[in-house]
Amino acid sequence: AQTVTQSQPEMSVQEAETVTLSCTYDTSESDYYLFWYKQPPSRQMILVIRQEAYKQQNATENRFSVNFQKAAKSFSLKISDSQLGDAAMYFCAYRAGANSKLTFGKGITLSVRP
Amino acid sequence: GAGVSQSPSNKVTEKGKDVELRCDPISGHTALYWYRQSLGQGLEFLIYFQGNSAPDKSGLPSDRFSAERTGGSVSTLTIQRTQQEDSAVYLCASSQVMGGEYEQYFGPGTRLTVT
Repeated sequence: AQTVTQSQPEMSVQEAETVTLSCTYDTSESDYYLFWYKQPPSRQMILVIRQEAYKQQNATENRFSVNFQKAAKSFSLKISDSQLGDAAMYFCAYRAGANSKLTFGKGITLSVRP
Repeated sequence: GAGVSQSPSNKVTEKGKDVELRCDPISGHTALYWYRQSLGQGLEFLIYFQGNSAPDKSGLPSDRFSAERTGGSVSTLTIQRTQQEDSAVYLCASSQVMGGEYEQYFGPGTRLTVT
């Protein structure tokens, strides 16, 4: 079975600084997708970034980028120029294939200090 | 267009009562998922509907939980004889299956409190 591990329950970052959120996963599949979701207090899960396993290039979305290490099964999220609005829970998630259920990590609470 | 909607937003019920939670997916999305988010267990998959195929019920925690999807659109998650451990946020998500767009879009969830 696939598992996703987020070992840090909480992190804090100073506004305008950079923070990295860690995630590791375990799978025997060769075709899979990895995601980072943001969940603010409103409960709405928002997709931040995704990475296809077959792509070697790390995904980037504006201030958000990932460090995808396939051999190490590591998928970290880097948030640059942190903003107060980035404060939320962040979940790392795995999906086998193109259309399948998501397996989530436990999540990490990110706070941003003004 | 409109996103995934869920109702009610919050539900408080007494232990032993039945509850129904509703999900309206994005129009045209053929895949629909239910997840449960609780303090102790994190985010867990419950059930998955895809078109006319038999649903994947592998995540349902007990036979008190059931779900249906009528007309390939709206879905209802039913919990019978609710227990306190059923207290959680129930999230619904939908996605397209064709055309290379497989992202799951989530609704705002229903917070269920069993007293």
